[in-house]
Amino acid sequence: KNQVEQSPQSLIILEGKNCTLQCNYTVSPFSNLRWYKQDTGRGPVSLTIMTFSENTKSNGRYTATLDADTKQSSLHITASQLSDSASYICVVSAGNYGGSQGNLIFGKGTKLSVKP
Amino acid sequence: GAVVSQHPSRVICKSGTSVKIECRSLDFQATTMFWYRQFPKQSLMLMATSNEGSKATYEQGVEKDKFLINHASLTLSTLTVTSAHPEDSSFYICSAQTPGQGTRTEAFFGQGTRLTVV
Repeated sequence: KNQVEQSPQSLIILEGKNCTLQCNYTVSPFSNLRWYKQDTGRGPVSLTIMTFSENTKSNGRYTATLDADTKQSSLHITASQLSDSASYICVVSAGNYGGSQGNLIFGKGTKLSVKP
Repeated sequence: GAVVSQHPSRVICKSGTSVKIECRSLDFQATTMFWYRQFPKQSLMLMATSNEGSKATYEQGVEKDKFLINHASLTLSTLTVTSAHPEDSSFYICSAQTPGQGTRTEAFFGQGTRLTVV
């Protein structure tokens, strides 16, 4: 069964600190992995997208890594800001479907709270 | 990045009435749009896939007669919740897919619609 599991479920950190969010998946065949940021009451916004051959990708203070062998990904946030408070969702796309969103498997997300 | 606009952002309706939610891709043509539902502290659940010019494809367990989807143009898809009941109260999100295959295609989400049925 295709699944995406994220940890921790929630996380509280102080402003300026770094943090790392984890994503483990059992999706086959694998096409790509995406990290989204979802503010409360808003739609998800894409942070990064990585294919099988990509190990790391950065977007400002966000750096995502992917280990396709162990089927693990992480999202590292550097020098956190209050505006980073949101849910971070890991989404894995099952392959062989031309990237169709009908085969996007969503994790439940990690709720990050950045405190002053 | 590409913009997907969803309207309204919030709606409160009486039980038994119908509510229409619009999803527009503002700067690209989306042959395929998707509708999701999200309950509190839950992940997004795909409800249906909306294809321009054809009938929507519904996920198992989603009533097509209750959640009417129309994708009349390459930039607009609508979701109508018919005869709404309190249990339909939820956060509905649309997504539009840019043209291309694999990672050359990207998914952009609307802002979401908070539906409350009273």
